[in-house]
Amino acid sequence: DAGVIQSPRHEVTEMGQEVTLRCKPISGHDYLFWYRQTMMRGLELLIYFNNNVPIDDSGMPEDRFSAKMPNASFSTLKIQPSEPRDSAVYFCASSSTRDRWGNEQFFGPGTRLTVL
Amino acid sequence: DAKTTQPPSMDCAEGRAANLPCNHSTISGNEYVYWYRQIHSQGPQYIIHGLKNNETNEMASLIITEDRKSSTLILPHATLRDTAVYYCIVRVARTGGTSYGKLTFGQGTILTVHP
Repeated sequence: DAGVIQSPRHEVTEMGQEVTLRCKPISGHDYLFWYRQTMMRGLELLIYFNNNVPIDDSGMPEDRFSAKMPNASFSTLKIQPSEPRDSAVYFCASSSTRDRWGNEQFFGPGTRLTVL
Repeated sequence: DAKTTQPPSMDCAEGRAANLPCNHSTISGNEYVYWYRQIHSQGPQYIIHGLKNNETNEMASLIITEDRKSSTLILPHATLRDTAVYYCIVRVARTGGTSYGKLTFGQGTILTVHP
């Protein structure tokens, strides 16, 4: 398996533009997570899905952020409009309740977002 | 989830054992201790987890004290590639739906392995 796939790996945009980050979880995994990492705040959970349904979005910073999971193999995190304070590395992770490790999360390589 | 306390940084010589401590004095009976690490510019990587017994896998060993208020992650023969931030996390494991145990990352321990 290729692991969790994220695209793009790097994104540079201007303030006010819409940004869409994409994630393909590991096949067969039923949980998907979006995290954000900054120097100031560390690694924060934004939202997670179970079987494509959002379970907890309490970490989403504000209405400018939205996440969708239209099917088991694809999720998006959208920021509209983007602001410089959104600059961070965004990680996607997936896990399976059926795995032998007990809900270990597998992380993707991240998308480094810079908003100018 | 119970909070954890880790030293901000540690050093280790290559080839020696690295022992990373973690305090979790408020851990509850159904919470596991998880360890993840994050190598520079990569996503976090699962290392090991345990409930109350000591655990070992191909990457590391986890020693949990009898009262479960602290634990130690042991990398038996540290290499330069083990230089990373190591996170100790306490959470409920293997549950579904709205009671799923989330990963809450603290600041972790920056482990630097020297030649």
